[in-house]
Amino acid sequence: DQQVKQNSPSLSVQEGRISILNCDYTNSMFDYFLWYKKYPAEGPTFLISISSIKDKNEDGRFTVFLNKSAKHLSLHIVPSQPGDSAVYFCAAATSGTNAGKSTFGDGTTLTVKP
Amino acid sequence: DTAVSQTPKYLVTQMGNDKSIKCEQNLGHDTMYWYKQDSKKFLKIMFSYNNKELIINETVPNRFSPKSPDKAHLNLHINSLELGDSAVYFCASSQAGIGEKLFFGSGTQLSVL
Repeated sequence: DQQVKQNSPSLSVQEGRISILNCDYTNSMFDYFLWYKKYPAEGPTFLISISSIKDKNEDGRFTVFLNKSAKHLSLHIVPSQPGDSAVYFCAAATSGTNAGKSTFGDGTTLTVKP
Repeated sequence: DTAVSQTPKYLVTQMGNDKSIKCEQNLGHDTMYWYKQDSKKFLKIMFSYNNKELIINETVPNRFSPKSPDKAHLNLHINSLELGDSAVYFCASSQAGIGEKLFFGSGTQLSVL
């Protein structure tokens, strides 16, 4: 039972344009969501997060939107840069539980073309 | 100055062998983890230790044994390696609190031949 899904295995965008990465979840107990970025041969690194009490969180070029009723979140990168090319993992958690209880999606590979 | 470091980065071994992966974090975090990333790219929790105490033990064969000598170290020992153990293993750490985020090591690519 895959509780967190990233339905697009890959996404290609032109430099300067917007990248939109999507994530769906099924467990209504999840109330905290994180995005991680992973470069080849490196571990994932935390990018941005959002609590279910918000519907938007912004950090520089990165914005995460949460639609609780649809159980959907998205990561917007504007403008996209070639250095953003990486695998992006969505993760969902229940606040107050161990971070190891986070459930990860299987990632979306973003390629930003110069 | 690497926050979470794990060694070795690559490990190639024969079936039936025993191997260990070491992990150290210098972030002062209380909790450490082992994750496995399989061929389908899912990151799955294997173990979690908090201050040297095992708090998460997912459905993992008992050939896998974590050991935490102190809260800055969490090693993973694997006995009788099997072909299906081939994967990338990530160590991670976090500090308890609201919005825990994980800090990952760079991974160990294990190939069992």
